[in-house]
Amino acid sequence: AQSVSQHNHHVILSEAASLELGCNYSYGGTVNLFWYVQYPGQHLQLLLKYFSGDPLVKGIKGFEAEFIKSKFSFNLRKPSVQWSDTAEYFCAVSLYNFNKFYFGSGTKLNVKP
Amino acid sequence: EAGVTQFPSHSVIEKGQTVTLRCDPISGHDNLYWYRRVMGKEIKFLLHFVKESKQDESGMPNNRFLAERTGGTYSTLKVQPAELEDSGVYFCASRPGTGGLSYNEQFFGPGTRLTVL
Repeated sequence: AQSVSQHNHHVILSEAASLELGCNYSYGGTVNLFWYVQYPGQHLQLLLKYFSGDPLVKGIKGFEAEFIKSKFSFNLRKPSVQWSDTAEYFCAVSLYNFNKFYFGSGTKLNVKP
Repeated sequence: EAGVTQFPSHSVIEKGQTVTLRCDPISGHDNLYWYRRVMGKEIKFLLHFVKESKQDESGMPNNRFLAERTGGTYSTLKVQPAELEDSGVYFCASRPGTGGLSYNEQFFGPGTRLTVL
């Protein structure tokens, strides 16, 4: 069975600190990769996605992620976090047809002002 | 464009009762998905509709769960009878059929938080 691992369950940072959230997946074939964010009281929103091409993907709000195929990883990064980035972040993987997403367990990010 | 909506936002029921959750996808989206997140764990796939047809129900936990999408528009997910372990947040998502910039992206609703006592 496919699995997605997010090793950081809860991250606390001060404003302006750099962020990196880990995501690893288990499937060996072609995958589509996503990061979603859920701000308090809101629905899941897409931050960025990767299907092919440049493994460094830029998303909204200054986020980026790098796909490293050899490591089965798709880590999320942001050089300088803001208080408004406080949210829960989910890594997701789909196989060839963009259906049936496999999600990680989520990482709660708390940014202190 | 209106997003995916779900009703109710919260539901508290007793074990053995029946609950029906509703999802209205983005207009024109052929694909509709149900997911569930239990106790802060990962969000897990339940099933996938293409228009009114069930394309994949491999994630449905058992036969107490019944999903329908009559007419290919909104969908309902009924739990009957509800058990304690059914508590969690139920998410609905939709995706366009083919083509367009967003055909490969699932748009999520706010979720329904179900508590079974």
